[in-house]
Amino acid sequence: RKEVEQDPGPFNVPEGATVAFNCTYSNSASQSFFWYRQDCRKEPKLLMSVYSSGNEDGRFTAQLNRASQYISLLIRDSKLSDSATYLCVVNINPGTYKYIFGTGTRLKVLA
Amino acid sequence: EAGVTQFPSHSVIEKGQTVTLRCDPISGHDNLYWYRRVMGKEIKFLLHFVKESKQDESGMPNNRFLAERTGGTYSTLKVQPAELEDSGVYFCASQRNLNNEQFFGPGTRLTVL
Repeated sequence: RKEVEQDPGPFNVPEGATVAFNCTYSNSASQSFFWYRQDCRKEPKLLMSVYSSGNEDGRFTAQLNRASQYISLLIRDSKLSDSATYLCVVNINPGTYKYIFGTGTRLKVLA
Repeated sequence: EAGVTQFPSHSVIEKGQTVTLRCDPISGHDNLYWYRRVMGKEIKFLLHFVKESKQDESGMPNNRFLAERTGGTYSTLKVQPAELEDSGVYFCASQRNLNNEQFFGPGTRLTVL
């Protein structure tokens, strides 16, 4: 079983739609959680950290469910510019500070 | 603030040759990481430096890979001799301290023929 699992997609949605991605992680000791965005042939860039109480940044909402070991990302009012791959990232610490990545979920927002 | 830079952006070499990748972290970032993405797979951790010391090298695939960070500034990752399965994108990331975001460089796309 992979340490971090995501549905690879692609998710094709019309502009203005709401779309949600889930990600599950296997290690209950995981401490930190992130969503990174990666555009084609570019480096991953932090979209948002995920906090236990859930957090929102504009059209983006991230939630963490420790009991079920999953995190989610909700994008409201999708824009064409949201088209990218969204990477679920988990960090188990202390002891190691490496990031563990999911394979990513591809999103394509259609005009 | 300049971001993480990596050189070269692309490298095409033949099996058996040696390649050295370089990463310049953001100034002041003590933590430097190497990651790799091979075709169709997720990005995977290779190793972590704190300044010039290797903190965690559990992800290094084998002894054909050697990473250094002399002086605690830039880092190099040498692959010698390269094999076909080493092809992929090698990302470097830097981090000011352990509770902060890791910033990724643009990656080096390595192709071994």
